Amino acid sequence: QKEVEQDPGPLSVPEGAIVSLNCTYSNSAFQYFMWYRQYSRKGPELLMYTYSSGNKEDGRFTAQVDKSSKYISLFIRDSQPSDSATYLCAMKSDVINKFYFGSGTKLNVKP
Amino acid sequence: DSGVTQTPKHLITATGQRVTLRCSPRSGDLSVYWYQQSLDQGLQFLIQYYNGEERAKGNILERFSAQQFPDLHSELNLSSLELGDSALYFCASSVGGKGGWSPYNEQFFGPGTRLTVL
Repeated sequence: QKEVEQDPGPLSVPEGAIVSLNCTYSNSAFQYFMWYRQYSRKGPELLMYTYSSGNKEDGRFTAQVDKSSKYISLFIRDSQPSDSATYLCAMKSDVINKFYFGSGTKLNVKP
Repeated sequence: DSGVTQTPKHLITATGQRVTLRCSPRSGDLSVYWYQQSLDQGLQFLIQYYNGEERAKGNILERFSAQQFPDLHSELNLSSLELGDSALYFCASSVGGKGGWSPYNEQFFGPGTRLTVL
């Protein structure tokens, strides 16, 4: 079993839709949760990060962490064609000095 | 532009060969991370160096090795290449490099090197 599981998609939505991207994980030691966005032919770039459980909002993006279910989500409101990219979740703990990434979900927002 | 540079952008080589990928971190960053990204495996952490010393090791094959030089640039050496080594190789850098996550440890990724083994 992989440490972090993520549905690869692709996910295709119309412009303006609410998008929900999710990851599950198996290691309860993870405390830091990140979402990266990767455009085609580019390196990943950090979108949001959260610590432990709860929600965090940044503009049209909301990150949610449910540690009891080992489940994290990224919501994109009013999705735009410019949001079309691959979204990767990543996780880390204080005791394990490495990042664990999901395999990424490819999102396509159609105009 | 993240400020992390990687060369070359593309590399095509044959099985059994050896290649070297190069990474220059952002100015002021002490940590360098190497990742392999393939379609079926996603982004896999290979190895991290902090100020010249190996800090963490991931799923790095014995045929692969890396080092970080005094000027903080890093090289990833891949030898006895196999078809399955074809992938995108990313380098990332951060100011810090241990413990939990904080903006101090935020990783900035380079544009990647696409390796094709024929």
